[in-house]
Amino acid sequence: DAGVIQSPRHEVTEMGQEVTLRCKPISGHDYLFWYRQTMMRGLELLIYFNNNVPIDDSGMPEDRFSAKMPNASFSTLKIQPSEPRDSAVYFCASSPRGQPQHFGDGTRLSIL
Amino acid sequence: SQQGEEDPQALSIQEGENATMNCSYKTSINNLQWYRQNSGRGLVHLILIRSNEREKHSGRLRVTLDTSKKSSSLLITASRAADTASYFCATDAYNAGNMLTFGGGTRLMVKP
Repeated sequence: DAGVIQSPRHEVTEMGQEVTLRCKPISGHDYLFWYRQTMMRGLELLIYFNNNVPIDDSGMPEDRFSAKMPNASFSTLKIQPSEPRDSAVYFCASSPRGQPQHFGDGTRLSIL
Repeated sequence: SQQGEEDPQALSIQEGENATMNCSYKTSINNLQWYRQNSGRGLVHLILIRSNEREKHSGRLRVTLDTSKKSSSLLITASRAADTASYFCATDAYNAGNMLTFGGGTRLMVKP
């Protein structure tokens, strides 16, 4: 069991650049979640999918953020254009319905 | 907004002592879960307690749930240095699908 795989593990880029974070959920899990973790705001749910369909994106901070899940084995979170306040650790998690979530090890994003 | 709030925010104990962390939440829930996060890693599920359960054990972990007070506690007995981590409670509310709302976490340090 490879677990949830996120890439890259670290990303450093300049303000204004496009950032794409990637996630491969555990096979057979039909829920996928994107979270953001900062010291100030803790762990925030950004968006989640069920069977590749976005269910709740109310946590997405603004239109600069978008997420897609083109198939059951891949999801992306994109920030365009990026800003310094987007610096955080971004986690992807997956789960079967009614079961605990499995987290990846996150992408540490720094926007200069 | 955070549904669960952990108390204390930080806890430092000696190896062999017990550690107790508390969580309060605001709305009715299906279940409450506890997760652990080691530095630089993703969250790992520890234990799930359903709304109709009052206590649950798993190894050195004991979780209690009081739905009348909307609170839960996590007890780690005979702590070890390897238990050093942040601990989060998460609630799965009614009609929320598989969506969890996480508290701010308790940072536990176990000194050898």
